[in-house]
Amino acid sequence: SQQGEEDPQALSIQEGENATMNCSYKTSINNLQWYRQNSGRGLVHLILIRSNEREKHSGRLRVTLDTSKKSSSLLITASRAADTASYFCATDKGGGADGLTFGKGTHLIIQP
Amino acid sequence: NAGVTQTPKFQVLKTGQSMTLQCAQDMNHNSMYWYRQDPGMGLRLIYYSASEGTTDKGEVPNGYNVSRLNKREFSLRLESAAPSQTSVYFCASKMDRAWNQPQHFGDGTRLSIL
Repeated sequence: SQQGEEDPQALSIQEGENATMNCSYKTSINNLQWYRQNSGRGLVHLILIRSNEREKHSGRLRVTLDTSKKSSSLLITASRAADTASYFCATDKGGGADGLTFGKGTHLIIQP
Repeated sequence: NAGVTQTPKFQVLKTGQSMTLQCAQDMNHNSMYWYRQDPGMGLRLIYYSASEGTTDKGEVPNGYNVSRLNKREFSLRLESAAPSQTSVYFCASKMDRAWNQPQHFGDGTRLSIL
């Protein structure tokens, strides 16, 4: 079953604008992760936020987590053409090595 | 820095044929994973191996088998391919069982079953 659901499914913005995408999940988690996937490539890890954290920054990325609402958001500031990709949230329910549960992704297009 | 290497990158099979997808990582990771990605479905876990010598089923294991050949290699086998197994297959690895670690992905194998 899909744990995370990203919103919107697709987003097109102008270069330099900020992009925000959201993720909702269903069960309790130990952490939530965001990955980027360029066309025809594998997933690249962007950021991990633990369940006891509310906000985390990494360069132009800002992630928030609201465990009471079972939701997270990813903000990309000052977008660039190279940010064009699909973005996935993934939840880790814990218990060790039993894999991640991914959402369906948000396809982000940055127009020059 | 190769990371996670998957072979082949593309494959076309006929229904009923068998095939093994290969995955190798050079990061000395203990845990490895196989996912499939279908349009509009995100990634779904097929099988995983928490450590060398162990394998466990994920969300969608039917029609697949796996082998953790050694610490570096984790293969996925389709014994009798079906059109429903047309997908992009990704292998991933992470350091160990600890939950607060990212996974590292290969570039995928694009498999079509006719």
